[in-house]
Parts: sequence; structure tokens; C-alpha cells
Amino acid sequence: DQQVKQNSPSLSVQEGRISILNCDYTNSMFDYFLWYKKYPAEGPTFLISISSIKDKNEDGRFTVFLNKSAKHLSLHIVPSQPGDSAVYFCAASTSGTYKYIFGTGTRLKVLA
Amino acid sequence: EAQVTQNPRYLITVTGKKLTVTCSQNMNHEYMSWYRQDPGLGLRQIYYSMNVEVTDKGDVPEGYKVSRKEKRNFPLILESPSPNQTSLYFCASSPLFVSPTGELFFGEGSRLTVL
Repeated sequence: DQQVKQNSPSLSVQEGRISILNCDYTNSMFDYFLWYKKYPAEGPTFLISISSIKDKNEDGRFTVFLNKSAKHLSLHIVPSQPGDSAVYFCAASTSGTYKYIFGTGTRLKVLA
Repeated sequence: EAQVTQNPRYLITVTGKKLTVTCSQNMNHEYMSWYRQDPGLGLRQIYYSMNVEVTDKGDVPEGYKVSRKEKRNFPLILESPSPNQTSLYFCASSPLFVSPTGELFFGEGSRLTVL
């Protein structure tokens, strides 16, 4: 049973436009959520995170929104750049468990 | 340079031949973990360790062993590899009691093929 789901395997966006990547989770015990970016032949790198006590966290062009009632989070990238083309994973964790559950990833392609 | 180093990066082996994938981090992190990435399944946690001599199972531990004798090293051992362990493996570490964000630092990955 996939506790963290990324239902869109891929997404194409024009350079300069907004990219919205979505993630749904089923476990209400998750209280910490992270986004990672992965380029080919490299390991994932941390992008941005959000605690369940917040509903928004912003870092430069990246903003993560959390809707706890819907068990849904999204990553907004504005403006999108060709260098943002990568696979994006969302991950969820419950404080004290030290276990991270990852989604299946969304491949973002930003078109120049 | 702060990093997580995995070796080998690529390996082709045969069923039943024991192998070890090494992982080393130079950031003095307490927490280390192994993941495997498979198409359509994302990253799944195999084992994790919160400190020296403290290890615990993740979601897919069957067929794997780990040890944490030193803080910097967390090798992944496949005692008798099988074809279903063909995958891309990632080691990760985290400053468990320091980082407020809980972020994981990943190695570059080890692609393993078991024939």
C-alpha cells in the first residue's frame, strides 16, 4: 500500500511558467514532509521541507503548500527554468520514527 | 567537501555470490540509511541506523544485512543476492540531533545487477 503517492509520472512546462508538482499521503501520523530533486546519475538532493504545523513554506523560487485535511501537498516552482528539469520526489515522515516514505517521483521537463 | 560516498557505483554479479556495497560519510552524522529505487516504486527504505551499533529494519529488509561499527561507515551486505535485488541503491545520512529540517544527504547511487 503506497502511503505517499505522486500520481503524475511526468510534467512538461514552458520556461518562465509555474510548475506544480503534487503529492498525496494516506497516513495521518505523518508530520514532516520533504521534497527532493534528482538528476540522472546523481543522488537525490534536498529541496525544501514543511512541518505539519505550517501550511506553507517558501524558499526562493520554491514554495511547498500543505493541506492537512486533504492529505495533500504541492511544490510550486516559479518561474520554472530549464535547469529545474529533473525527477522530484516527495517524502513523508513521522517524528521519532526516523523512517522516510518516498513517493514514486514526477519527472519535470522545463522547455526552453 | 561534505559527502556520502558509495562503492562500487556499478556492479554486475551472479546469483548467490555475496557482495558488500560500502557507504561512508564525512559529516559526522548520527543517522544513516539505505534505500533502493525501482521503476514505479520510488525509493524504499531497506535499513537505517541511528548511531554506532544501533540498526533497524526499514520497509524492505529481506535479503539484506547491515552493520554500523563506526559512525562514518554503513555497509550494505547481500549474503546471497537474487535477481529481484537488481536495483539502484542509495545510501543517505542525516545529522539526526542537529538538523531542524530532517534532510537526508544522499550518495550518488550504486547500480547493482544480479544475473
